[in-house]
Amino acid sequence: EDQVTQSPEALRLQEGESSSLNCSYTVSGLRGLFWYRQDPGKGPEFLFTLYSAGEEKEKERLKATLTKKESFLHITAPKPEDSATYLCAVQAPGEGSGAGSYQLTFGKGTKLSVIP
Amino acid sequence: KAGVTQTPRYLIKTRGQQVTLSCSPISGHRSVSWYQQTPGQGLQFLFEYFSETQRNKGNFPGRFSGRQFSNSRSEMNVSTLELGDSALYLCASSLAPGGQPGELFFGEGSRLTVL
Repeated sequence: EDQVTQSPEALRLQEGESSSLNCSYTVSGLRGLFWYRQDPGKGPEFLFTLYSAGEEKEKERLKATLTKKESFLHITAPKPEDSATYLCAVQAPGEGSGAGSYQLTFGKGTKLSVIP
Repeated sequence: KAGVTQTPRYLIKTRGQQVTLSCSPISGHRSVSWYQQTPGQGLQFLFEYFSETQRNKGNFPGRFSGRQFSNSRSEMNVSTLELGDSALYLCASSLAPGGQPGELFFGEGSRLTVL
């Protein structure tokens, strides 16, 4: 069974204080690892896709990295507007019928609060 | 470009009733997935449709069903509602064809409260 574990559950940072969020996963046949951001009352918003170990992606103050067992979301000099819940998800071939079916397994997220 | 539209945004039902939720994907997206989000379990996969065919289904009882129409719009239905069905139901569309990893574009969800 695919599993995704995110840590910490919650993180409070001072503005400008860099840190990292962790996502460890167990999946057979990883097709992709995704990071999403979710603001209160909204649906998740796509941030990054990582496909293979060693891959890195960057966007503004965020940088995502991937190893064979985990992914990190590094936040450099965060601002209050970075406050949100960050979700990690893995994609593997689904168990349902139909060639090419797939589904995402999400972690429970890390709630990030950046204090001015 | 319009995003994923879900209706209704909020609804309250009582135990035993049924509910139908609607999702209009981004124009050109043919894959639609549904997820249930609760504080305790997080986001859990319900089912995925592509070209009107259910390609995959998560671990939910048969009370949860869905369908997709020829215009890619999708509906999900929950029958015989239980208190535990209270959740945010999220629809997501994707441009990815079958078998290719793709990013999901989520709607804002339908928040269901069962009393």
